[in-house]
Amino acid sequence: KAGVTQTPRYLIKTRGQQVTLSCSPISGHRSVSWYQQTPGQGLQFLFEYFSETQRNKGNFPGRFSGRQFSNSRSEMNVSTLELGDSALYLCASSLGFNSPLHFGNGTRLTVT
Amino acid sequence: QKEVEQNSGPLSVPEGAIASLNCTYSDRGSQSFFWYRQYSGKSPELIMSIYSNGDKEDGRFTAQLNKASQYVSLLIRDSQPSDSATYLCAVYTGGFKTIFGAGTRLFVKA
Repeated sequence: KAGVTQTPRYLIKTRGQQVTLSCSPISGHRSVSWYQQTPGQGLQFLFEYFSETQRNKGNFPGRFSGRQFSNSRSEMNVSTLELGDSALYLCASSLGFNSPLHFGNGTRLTVT
Repeated sequence: QKEVEQNSGPLSVPEGAIASLNCTYSDRGSQSFFWYRQYSGKSPELIMSIYSNGDKEDGRFTAQLNKASQYVSLLIRDSQPSDSATYLCAVYTGGFKTIFGAGTRLFVKA
């Protein structure tokens, strides 16, 4: 069974630009969660989607948004990039309620 | 108070010893508990899930849960240098959100 696939693996953007990250979950997994990981803050929850509905959102500014498609694939978007947005962005899928998360390889975003 | 707390370490143990990693959580309603291992430059990988009080063993790994004390631990027996990584405690608190601790760095000395 294929794992969680995230694209692209690396991104370098300039302040003020926007970026879109993509995530394909494990087949059969309908829940997709996004996390931001930085050395100082650890893994911070961004949002969770299930059947195209955002069910929870973390404490991030509105510049961070996401969506999920009918095939469970998900995208997250960050607009008006700031230097502090430089991080590893991790997508994880699960079967849903109470189930463990399975992570993709992540997208490393660098904002210059 | 952080929702999930772990000692950041580093925890250093000799090869063959038992490594003991601890985690406390603040939400009494937490339902599911997970341990992940993360090697430098890689993404977290699931090691263990535990849902009820007591011990759960899987190979060299044992997870222990005490909901009354809001405490979960991971024991690694016969530690190997390849076990050197950061170990993340994660708690499903409900509300479709899993919260992670900051992680404990483990070094196993050959």
